[in-house]
Amino acid sequence: DAKTTQPPSMDCAEGRAANLPCNHSTISGNEYVYWYRQIHSQGPQYIIHGLKNNETNEMASLIITEDRKSSTLILPHATLRDTAVYYCIVRLRSNDYKLSFGAGTTVTVRA
Amino acid sequence: EPEVTQTPSHQVTQMGQEVILRCVPISNHLYFYWYRQILGQKVEFLVSFYNNEISEKSEIFDDQFSVERPDGSNFTLKIRSTKLEDSAMYFCASSSGGKLFFGSGTQLSVL
Repeated sequence: DAKTTQPPSMDCAEGRAANLPCNHSTISGNEYVYWYRQIHSQGPQYIIHGLKNNETNEMASLIITEDRKSSTLILPHATLRDTAVYYCIVRLRSNDYKLSFGAGTTVTVRA
Repeated sequence: EPEVTQTPSHQVTQMGQEVILRCVPISNHLYFYWYRQILGQKVEFLVSFYNNEISEKSEIFDDQFSVERPDGSNFTLKIRSTKLEDSAMYFCASSSGGKLFFGSGTQLSVL
């Protein structure tokens, strides 16, 4: 799996958009970008994934650069409940493939 | 919404004792996983399981560990002789469509 680089932490004001960057310069053509989050020792939660097009769902938007070497997860209106560790993971899309979690970005949403 | 359920939520055991952690994956999922997270550390992959056999395991998953799907719904992780360093949060997961769905975890404390 391609290696990812994320900032260790970031703060965000409640109600504002949170933009979480991720670098994955060694990503290969058939690897997807996945985002998960972990809220205070709960099980990790799937957020969104994409290959090369931008993606949006009810939780977030994923913007992938044209060269696919980096991406940004956008939480459009952050709430206090979005305080969590966010993991950017690059992997092949398969039913049977382990996830390799890094340290992620600790996002703190402040009132 | 279907979810992965884990029991018990907390387990305290004496060093050297056997423990069994239980999980009920999402019913139509075919791939199952165990992960663990030692306090303050990364989420670590232990093992993946498909078609009643282990498909991949990490270096952590040594002979003290075993997994089983004893019936059509349960998926268990057994630690034969627990060590102090086995104290961690253990997460079960199942997958579909390339997404992993995690349970809320079992906090194992080895005394």
